[in-house]
Amino acid sequence: QSVLTQPPSASGTPGQRVSISCSGSSSNIGSYTVNWYQQLPGTAPRLLIYTNNQRPSGVPDRFSGSKSGTSASLAISGLQSEDEAAYYCAAWDDSLDGRVFGGGTKLTVL
Amino acid sequence: QVQLVQSGAEVKKPGASVKVSCKASGYSFNIYGITWVRQAPGQGLEWMGWISAYNGNTNYAHNLQGRVSLTTDTSTKTAYMELRGLRSDDTAVYYCARDDGAYSSSWFDHWGQGTLVTVSS
Repeated sequence: QSVLTQPPSASGTPGQRVSISCSGSSSNIGSYTVNWYQQLPGTAPRLLIYTNNQRPSGVPDRFSGSKSGTSASLAISGLQSEDEAAYYCAAWDDSLDGRVFGGGTKLTVL
Repeated sequence: QVQLVQSGAEVKKPGASVKVSCKASGYSFNIYGITWVRQAPGQGLEWMGWISAYNGNTNYAHNLQGRVSLTTDTSTKTAYMELRGLRSDDTAVYYCARDDGAYSSSWFDHWGQGTLVTVSS
């Protein structure tokens, strides 16, 4: 059971906007920044969003992140087939004195 | 460009140890940390620990403390992850990643290609 809770799956059609949630507590998301990673099938994870809402260079502005209280959210607008991947949130956790990941959300583009 | 190149796949027997390397290039190695993450087959990502390439400070996941050791060799810009007392549930792909930003607010901005470690009798 992951410390950060994500829905196991999400789906959308091309062009749609989808949102993936990440729920935590005061010992992690409530006190620290959230990062998001994308993992395409068979590949290493890739940094998608850092410090809650910052995009690294090369990440399209279709991807956006937000945080409120003890929850965070990743939004993908203008969904494309190549967005089909697993998405993971991550944050520091005081209780564990280390980094924690969400369980991951598998996004299907219908 | 920043690159992290990991050593090849390993097959180990239960109780053995494995040491995975991660050779960095394209950046000042000792300015950043290196984080290790593993992924069991069909499962999610699990943070294993972090090492500062600047001073060798480490922080390990509680469930791995005593079995894992992270080291760096700044002369060769290489990070190492050693896991001892291997069990079947240690079978996973092991990733190294460059750790950027302040300690508890950092992010992993470049990843190695992964190393499959299989533990089987």
